[in-house]
Amino acid sequence: QKEVEQNSGPLSVPEGAIASLNCTYSDRGSQSFFWYRQYSGKSPELIMSIYSNGDKEDGRFTAQLNKASQYVSLLIRDSQPSDSATYLCAVLYNQGGKLIFGQGTELSVKP
Amino acid sequence: DTGVSQDPRHKITKRGQNVTFRCDPISEHNRLYWYRQTLGQGPEFLTYFQNEAQLEKSRLLSDRFSAERPKGSFSTLEIQRTEQGDSAMYLCASSYDGTVVSGYTFGSGTRLTVV
Repeated sequence: QKEVEQNSGPLSVPEGAIASLNCTYSDRGSQSFFWYRQYSGKSPELIMSIYSNGDKEDGRFTAQLNKASQYVSLLIRDSQPSDSATYLCAVLYNQGGKLIFGQGTELSVKP
Repeated sequence: DTGVSQDPRHKITKRGQNVTFRCDPISEHNRLYWYRQTLGQGPEFLTYFQNEAQLEKSRLLSDRFSAERPKGSFSTLEIQRTEQGDSAMYLCASSYDGTVVSGYTFGSGTRLTVV
């Protein structure tokens, strides 16, 4: 089992729709969770962090965390073509040691 | 200081040659991380430093790879006797240990092509 797993893509949604990206992790002791966006050929860019169970909203983005189920998700409302990118889920392991990344989910938003 | 800087941006080398990459972190960040990313995969952890101390090295990292951070500022990653399988994007990131829970900032990466 991989330490951080994301649902396989690519995920295609029409412009204006809600995109839902999912991630599971194996280490129950993890406390910090992140979503990064990566455009083709570019480096990852942090878009959301979440530490407590429940939802965290930032503009069109909502991160959801369920530690009991070891599940993290990212919702993108009113998806735009500019949201087309690979979204990486990352989990902070070992009390702040290092981030472990999932394989990423490619999102395509069609006009 | 505008962010994490990596040099070079691109490197093409022949198989068997040695290559060295440099990373300059954000100046107040005391932690520095190296990752490798291949097409269609997420970044894979290689190693990280707190100040000049190398605190962890991935078990997947062969002994052809070595990293240093001699004065706790910039870091170098050297790959000896490169192989085609080393072709990847090498990413550097930095953070401050007091705020590492906030995630960290990546540089633009060095893309290595071994021919």
